[in-house]
Amino acid sequence: GAGVSQSPSNKVTEKGKDVELRCDPISGHTALYWYRQSLGQGLEFLIYFQGNSAPDKSGLPSDRFSAERTGGSVSTLTIQRTQQEDSAVYLCASSPRAGSNEKLFFGSGTQLSVL
Amino acid sequence: AQSVTQLGSHVSVSEGALVLLRCNYSSSVPPYLFWYVQYPNQGLQLLLKYTSAATLVKGINGFEAEFKKSETSFHLTKPSAHMSDAAEYFCAVSLGNQGGKLIFGQGTELSVKP
Repeated sequence: GAGVSQSPSNKVTEKGKDVELRCDPISGHTALYWYRQSLGQGLEFLIYFQGNSAPDKSGLPSDRFSAERTGGSVSTLTIQRTQQEDSAVYLCASSPRAGSNEKLFFGSGTQLSVL
Repeated sequence: AQSVTQLGSHVSVSEGALVLLRCNYSSSVPPYLFWYVQYPNQGLQLLLKYTSAATLVKGINGFEAEFKKSETSFHLTKPSAHMSDAAEYFCAVSLGNQGGKLIFGQGTELSVKP
């Protein structure tokens, strides 16, 4: 596609439920990043993928959070047993390669609300 | 560990006035530095980046930033603000061995008054 696509754009769930957030990167981009944007916390790095491998998952807040990437393309971020503090905008970004001076292309995000 | 500090969570300027958004970084090694902008209900997009080729970096929409190693700063400026510049601006740092992972500042919301 033309840009990074995230779905759903909005998700409302009840505390304790599991959610899956999807990211379709730009075709051919080997690096994929997940960030979380919340009031008072700014933009927090969660995890990044180079191909299907995740060299750095240091930002995942707890073991309730996991992510995978298949076929070097689509990625899914899963949050199990959601808590109210998980409410945030989850942003996905991709770049042609995982280089320090690479421009990241961001999606519009998934707004997650946990009631 | 590296970090980024943006001074001022909200900045308000009049249309036509100078825009100055401040960013200071902390890094034990030479960093790569970026400014991203987020317009309402849109994803972040790159304004400009510093990668050591030149200390004064020009970006899109008339913005520029100057890397000052002695001050560990990378402030963003624009000589004359437009109403369309109203957005949130994020400074970010990346190091050479972290696969493009960005550490962001807290963001500065810019308002432009007519």
